[in-house]
This record gives sequence, C-alpha cells and structure tokens, in this order.
Amino acid sequence: DADVTQTPRNRITKTGKRIMLECSQTKGHDRMYWYRQDPGLGLRLIYYSFDVKDINKGEISDGYSVSRQAQAKFSLSLESAIPNQTALYFCATSQPYGSDSYNEQFFGPGTRLTVL
Amino acid sequence: GENVEQHPSTLSVQEGDSAVIKCTYSDSASNYFPWYKQELGKRPQLIIDIRSNVGEKKDQRIAVTLNKTAKHFSLHITETQPEDSAVYFCAASNLDRDDKIIFGKGTRLHILP
Repeated sequence: DADVTQTPRNRITKTGKRIMLECSQTKGHDRMYWYRQDPGLGLRLIYYSFDVKDINKGEISDGYSVSRQAQAKFSLSLESAIPNQTALYFCATSQPYGSDSYNEQFFGPGTRLTVL
Repeated sequence: GENVEQHPSTLSVQEGDSAVIKCTYSDSASNYFPWYKQELGKRPQLIIDIRSNVGEKKDQRIAVTLNKTAKHFSLHITETQPEDSAVYFCAASNLDRDDKIIFGKGTRLHILP
C-alpha cells in the first residue's frame, strides 16, 4: 500500500547536535508537511512544500530547516538541537484542491525526538 | 492568520453516551473543516470533514455541524464505544486560497466502562 514513512522512529540526542529527520512517501502526492506535536499544544506546522521547488515556513519554523530532495522526500533538520525541541514530529502529505481526497493530510508514523 | 480553538481539552463519557467536541475559528474565509482522530501511539487519521456550503454531515455514529455565522463547528459521537477513546483534532482551511490546514490543540476523549 502507498504510505508515508519516517526515519528514525526514535532519536535521543544532546544539546547542540545537528539532527536530520527524514520523510519518504509512495503516495505520489505533491504536497508535504512537517508538524510538531506537544502535549496540550496539538499539531503545529513547522514547514510545508507544495512541490519540489516550493518551500514555506509554518507557525514555528525558528530553529528548523527543510530540504525537498524529490517529490517523494522531505527532510527536516535541527541545526543545533535544544531541549525544548523535544517532541513528536510528524510528516504528512496531501493532494491539492480538485484532486481526489483533496487536502486530506496523510500522516507518517512519527519520530519521537528527545534532546538532552 | 487562522486560529482554531478547541474545547474541552479532556472529556470523559460513559460507554453508550454521546460526546461533543467544539471548535471555533477566526478566519471567516475558512471553508473546509476536517476532524482527525489519533489513537494512542498511532498517527492522526481523517474521520470526517465538512465544507462551508453544508450545515451538517453524518457518517454512522459521528456527525459534524457547522455554524458559519458564529464561526464554530462541532463533532458529535453517539453511542460511544471503547474504540472511540483517542485524541481528536479539529482543523480549518480555505480551499479557495489553496491554503494549509490549521489544527486545534486536541481533545482527549476517554470512554468509561
């Protein structure tokens, strides 16, 4: 089945380290997103990309960067990790309005990141 | 930009009773309102959505209502079952602007035996 995958699934790192979280999808969707989930704060958008050449900041982009290597791959980097970036990170994909299941967000399994 | 408020943050109901989760949005131009369910340890998944040209939509035991004038929408779950225990997120978006989705902070629903 077409899916969204994330690597790694769990990561523990130290303050100041550079971390990359990777997302791949076989759904053939053009749009990809990175969200952060914290207890009581819901799903907050970090960055999103509507196609390979399009990158946009979300609500909480400070301290993060992204790279859209191909239609199927969207990576999130923490250049210098800090403890308050400890969270559950989700990648998601969607299709544009006018497509089947337009705007439905298909989420990956999540990456649990702990910054010590 | 759009802001979505969701209440309550936690809700406990007896199995078989109904549950209602409410959301308000700030951008009157928003016209698409999905609801996502996240079971423990799982990824969020879409369970139902509604567009602004419709006031109510039902799918078996779940329904969503929309009041455009008041800018609020609600999720109703009837005859609750243990498998309804999860975190529910409401969200809002503007399809005409081809815009991203903004999520509420979530409601943790507990179904009590």
